[in-house]
Amino acid sequence: EIVMTQSPAILSVSPGERATLSCRASQSVSNNLAWYQQRPGQAPRLLIYGASTRATGIPTRFSGSGSGTEFTLTISSLQSEDFAVYYCQQYNFWPPLTFGGGTKVEIK
Amino acid sequence: QVQLVQSGAAVKNPWSSVMVSCKASGGTFSNYALSWVRQAPGQGLEWMGGIIPMFGAVNYAQRFQGRVTITADESTSTAYMELNNLRIEDTAVYYCARADYYPYSSTFSAFDIWGQGTVVTVSS
Repeated sequence: EIVMTQSPAILSVSPGERATLSCRASQSVSNNLAWYQQRPGQAPRLLIYGASTRATGIPTRFSGSGSGTEFTLTISSLQSEDFAVYYCQQYNFWPPLTFGGGTKVEIK
Repeated sequence: QVQLVQSGAAVKNPWSSVMVSCKASGGTFSNYALSWVRQAPGQGLEWMGGIIPMFGAVNYAQRFQGRVTITADESTSTAYMELNNLRIEDTAVYYCARADYYPYSSTFSAFDIWGQGTVVTVSS
């Protein structure tokens, strides 16, 4: 099983600042890595797939990078609606498909 | 635009079973894989298992093996997840999620469409 580890667990950021979230895989997942945003009471929403491709309708302030075992999600200038929990997920190997534990981005 | 519409909330007793449905509205299951992902209160996302209806292939996460059954009815574009021998710790929101499946490489895409979630409460 591929273990996905996200850091930090909680990230405190002021509106307008940059946020950098990390995700590490226990073995290479190539670029088969996705990022999801989950707001309270809502289903997850796909932000990034293929490690760096924005999903349809996702603002350009969201960007993803990395390959192999190390990945990063960057939010260039945090807006109020960006305060949420973010999950990474590998889809290179199944079963199982695995998620990271999540990073909560909160208002500083 | 395809939407995944799930069945409503359920309250169950320990040791009973629950079945949650997920209907593709505005589309079909062709060339897709459907997974079930759960989220316990205040916790992260956990993949339970998935089905590729076109091939009838099903796989489960090891920790749910023997307790979960995932099926799909292509004629109605509906997937089902049945969880047996319910425990208090199975209280969670259960989501279905769709991914593309590429049979030539046996690979998937990310989950691009999610159902709205079904709250299952297990309580005596």
